[in-house]
Amino acid sequence: GQNIDQPTEMTATEGAIVQINCTYQTSGFNGLFWYQQHAGEAPTFLSYNVLDGLEEKGRFSSFLSRSKGYSYLLLKELQMKDSASYLCAVRDRSNTGKLIFGQGTTLQVKP
Amino acid sequence: DVKVTQSSRYLVKRTGEKVFLECVQDMDHENMFWYRQDPGLGLRLIYFSYDVKMKEKGDIPEGYSVSREKKERFSLILESASTNQTSMYLCASSSTLTSSQETQYFGPGTRLLVL
Repeated sequence: GQNIDQPTEMTATEGAIVQINCTYQTSGFNGLFWYQQHAGEAPTFLSYNVLDGLEEKGRFSSFLSRSKGYSYLLLKELQMKDSASYLCAVRDRSNTGKLIFGQGTTLQVKP
Repeated sequence: DVKVTQSSRYLVKRTGEKVFLECVQDMDHENMFWYRQDPGLGLRLIYFSYDVKMKEKGDIPEGYSVSREKKERFSLILESASTNQTSMYLCASSSTLTSSQETQYFGPGTRLLVL
């Protein structure tokens, strides 16, 4: 079967670092995406990993271990505007670009 | 800049009505997708299309149909709306360059309420 797990909710303090984990079990793998979604808005692309290791993009980094079926999104120097849902998604091996989404992690950043 | 637009941001319909949700993308993408998003359930794929006039069922196609007559347009149809179809509907598109980090681009969503 296909399964992607993320924590439902997390809380962190402004200026701190937070790590959002994602574990997956899918029948095929062709990359893992992280999206950010503010309340009432569409998801927007944050990061992409297809090889093992860390990808850094400003305050956001994403890590992948394919052998462990594991990824995390690391947010540094948290700002209030980072309060949002973070969606982990795995792309399958077909040429349709089909994604399988986790249920999302709602992050609340407090002052 | 990729743009995916949806015909309505908010829609209120009555049980039994036929509902059309339209999605248009301007990036000449081959792939288009319809999802619904519900609290605690995340994004669930209803239908997708990888070419004009081609469609494939996603994970929850029951009660829905789709139409893709032109490459840029993908329509979701609720043949007879029911209250359990009250949800946020998101359209997305992507190219077929799946060996790259080419992502799916999402429209703003349509929040549908069925009374």
